[in-house]
Order: sequence, then structure tokens, then C-alpha cells
Amino acid sequence: GQQVMQIPQYQHVQEGEDFTTYCNSSTTLSNIQWYKQRPGGHPVFLIQLVKSGEVKKQKRLTFQFGEAKKNSSLHITATQTTDVGTYFCAGPTTIYNTDKLIFGTGTRLQVFP
Amino acid sequence: DAGVTQSPTHLIKTRGQQVTLRCSPKSGHDTVSWYQQALGQGPQFIFQYYEEEERQRGNFPDRFSGHQFPNYSSELNVNALLLGDSALYLCASSLTAWEDGDEQYFGPGTRLTVT
Repeated sequence: GQQVMQIPQYQHVQEGEDFTTYCNSSTTLSNIQWYKQRPGGHPVFLIQLVKSGEVKKQKRLTFQFGEAKKNSSLHITATQTTDVGTYFCAGPTTIYNTDKLIFGTGTRLQVFP
Repeated sequence: DAGVTQSPTHLIKTRGQQVTLRCSPKSGHDTVSWYQQALGQGPQFIFQYYEEEERQRGNFPDRFSGHQFPNYSSELNVNALLLGDSALYLCASSLTAWEDGDEQYFGPGTRLTVT
């Protein structure tokens, strides 16, 4: 079945270091979304990528959609303690006649001051 | 200081009907996002409103529409309801759309059941 995997599962970094999480889908995606979930909170939508090879930036966050539209990455430059949380990618399910998303396995980021 | 409020808390509709859900953002917030959370699933982004316009939209069909009023409150409308629309609908507010994208405050949600 359709799967969306993320690596690494968990990463801890020193504040100021960079961080990257990778998302890989077993199927081609029409688009991909990224969410961030802070400890104890709801997943919050960060961005949506639609075009092959698309790159978008939000301050220190850089999102990329692969050329084949089967993978994506999120890179954080110079992490801060406020970046702590779990980052999920999500893509549309290929199940017919449904609008649901399949969420990736998530990458939990811990930032040490 | 009131947080994000949503109404109604629960709603039961039948297939084919239309529904309107309402959200008042946290005081001082100007951006409202709507999410759908099916049972056992993570919230899925529907759309976001800022300055009374839809800024971003997720993978939801045109049956899902919204509106933001001058006082920043918002409505989510769903037409031609399907059984699969049964879910908890969450509203989240924030201050400006992209400065701190993850600083969103969630309301308690509206539980919609479609029979």
C-alpha cells in the first residue's frame, strides 16, 4: 500500500546547528504538505509544495519537492529552541474518491541550548 | 482574554445537506486556519484566511468554502455533505500569516456527524 516514510526518526542538535528531515513516498504525489507539532500541541500546517523541483523558504526553513514528486525535504538553518517538535510531511492518498492525506512517520527534533 | 471560540460544539446533518461552522479568533489575531480531523487521524489543513482572502488551500474540493469577516472571524461552509465529512473541525488563529507559521492557537472544535 501507499507509504510515506521520514528519516531520521529522531534527531537532537545543538542550538545553532542545521537540521534536515527527508520524506519519501512510495507513490508519486500531486503535492506535499509539511506540518509541525509542538509537544502537547496540534500539528500545525507549515507549507504546501505543488510543482516538481519546487523550493520554498520561510525564514530559516527551506522546503523542497523532488523532481520526481516522490520525495521532499525540510531544512532548518541555525536551529533555535523554538524549533523543537515533530515535523510531519503529508501527501494525498491514492485511494479513489477520498480527499484524505497520508502523514509521514515524522521526525522528532530536539534542540539543546 | 478570550481564546479561539467555535460554534456549534456538535452538529448532526444528513447526506446532501449544507453546514456552516463559525470561528472567532483569539483577540488580536488576524489569520484563521481551518483543519479537518477524522477519528484517529491527524488534522488536515483545509484553508487559511488573511485579510478576508483565502491565502492557502489544502487538498479539499470546492464543496468546502470559507469566508473571513472584517472583525477577523471566519466561517467554514460545506455543501453536499458526504458521510466522509464526519470529523472534528478545528479552527486555529494566529497573528500574521507567515511570521511564525507554527504559532497557531486552536479552538475546541466542532464535531460534525453526517448520517
